[in-house]
Amino acid sequence: DAGVTQSPTHLIKTRGQQVTLRCSPISGHKSVSWYQQVLGQGPQFIFQYYEKEERGRGNFPDRFSARQFPNYSSELNVNALLLGDSALYLCASSLGQGAYNEQFFGPGTRLTVL
Amino acid sequence: GQQVMQIPQYQHVQEGEDFTTYCNSSTTLSNIQWYKQRPGGHPVFLIQLVKSGEVKKQKRLTFQFGEAKKNSSLHITATQTTDVGTYFCAGPRVVGGSNYKLTFGKGTLLTVNP
Repeated sequence: DAGVTQSPTHLIKTRGQQVTLRCSPISGHKSVSWYQQVLGQGPQFIFQYYEKEERGRGNFPDRFSARQFPNYSSELNVNALLLGDSALYLCASSLGQGAYNEQFFGPGTRLTVL
Repeated sequence: GQQVMQIPQYQHVQEGEDFTTYCNSSTTLSNIQWYKQRPGGHPVFLIQLVKSGEVKKQKRLTFQFGEAKKNSSLHITATQTTDVGTYFCAGPRVVGGSNYKLTFGKGTLLTVNP
């Protein structure tokens, strides 16, 4: 079975630009969460979507937005990029929406903002 | 808000030595999850603990959940070079109804000298 996939693998942008990251969950998983991981830190929760609705939001500015599509894939959008947005962006899928579900992480998108 | 703290931040051991990482939460957790991230990789789920005082074993790995459900530990017996990576604990924080966000600790980076 295919795992969680993310695209693109790497991305280089300049300050002020906008970026869209994509995620396809494991087949049958209805929940997708997005995390930001900077070097030396644990993943920081950005959003959770379940059944196409936002079910949780972390402490990130409104420049960050996301959505989930009918096929449960998801996009994360970041506007007006700042240097500090450089990080590994991880997508994780899980079977259910509750707090007891194992998260299956994708390989991530490495974003560099110059 | 809820914080999840891990110690130590780094641990270097000789192959064959034991290793322990500790996780402490400022609030009581409904459950705690442990993940491993290899260098250059993405977090991979190891285990979930739910019950107060729970102990689970996976081969050389022993996981414990404290009686007060505010702390946890991961112990590796006789480390091997394949154990290299960063070990994260993560606890859910309910943000309303059944919605939650998963809070990760900063992780413990384990390096093993062969």
